[in-house]
Amino acid sequence: GAVVSQHPSRVICKSGTSVKIECRSLDFQATTMFWYRQFPKQSLMLMATSNEGSKATYEQGVEKDKFLINHASLTLSTLTVTSAHPEDSSFYICSATRAEETQYFGPGTRLLVL
Amino acid sequence: AQSVTQLDSQVPVFEEAPVELRCNYSSSVSVYLFWYVQYPNQGLQLLLKYLSGSTLVKGINGFEAEFNKSQTSFHLRKPSVHISDTAEYFCAVSETGNQFYFGTGTSLTVIP
Repeated sequence: GAVVSQHPSRVICKSGTSVKIECRSLDFQATTMFWYRQFPKQSLMLMATSNEGSKATYEQGVEKDKFLINHASLTLSTLTVTSAHPEDSSFYICSATRAEETQYFGPGTRLLVL
Repeated sequence: AQSVTQLDSQVPVFEEAPVELRCNYSSSVSVYLFWYVQYPNQGLQLLLKYLSGSTLVKGINGFEAEFNKSQTSFHLRKPSVHISDTAEYFCAVSETGNQFYFGTGTSLTVIP
């Protein structure tokens, strides 16, 4: 099956710093990548949709200046949490699609902001 | 607008017993339906999907689901569960195959 990786798997940072999370499709070219946020014991909330070479489309309520998404190639998308605060602590999950109508999910990144 | 309802937030079941996890959706058009499983501190793994064709879909780990258009349901079933099936299960719906809408999840606990 399709493999999607995320790096880092866990990150702890100080309040006010920025954190970059990478999402890679390892064995296929992803036409679209998605970023989700998951709070403890809750479902996934879509943050943004990212197409290679174009600006990301953010869901309502998601601050695009705080959550910067770059999709520079068909195999890599990055999410940068700028000036992170404790309330940004969460589990961030990316997914990627190729030609078929299925999303393949990364293993997630646990962010803790102190 | 699409939405997904998972009626049971927690389902405890004894090992080797059958289980059904319920999922209902609302949409005005044809949809694709998915079940994902999430183990602790991990991402989501695709269990099975319905895109078209046969309404009974078989997935990995012995799971299956049946698409019922009239009842707008896509319930997940397994005839005999194992301890290793303990996890969070998410139902998802998509009209385009791109934007997914997830249910709130069902926590399955298999009791030895």
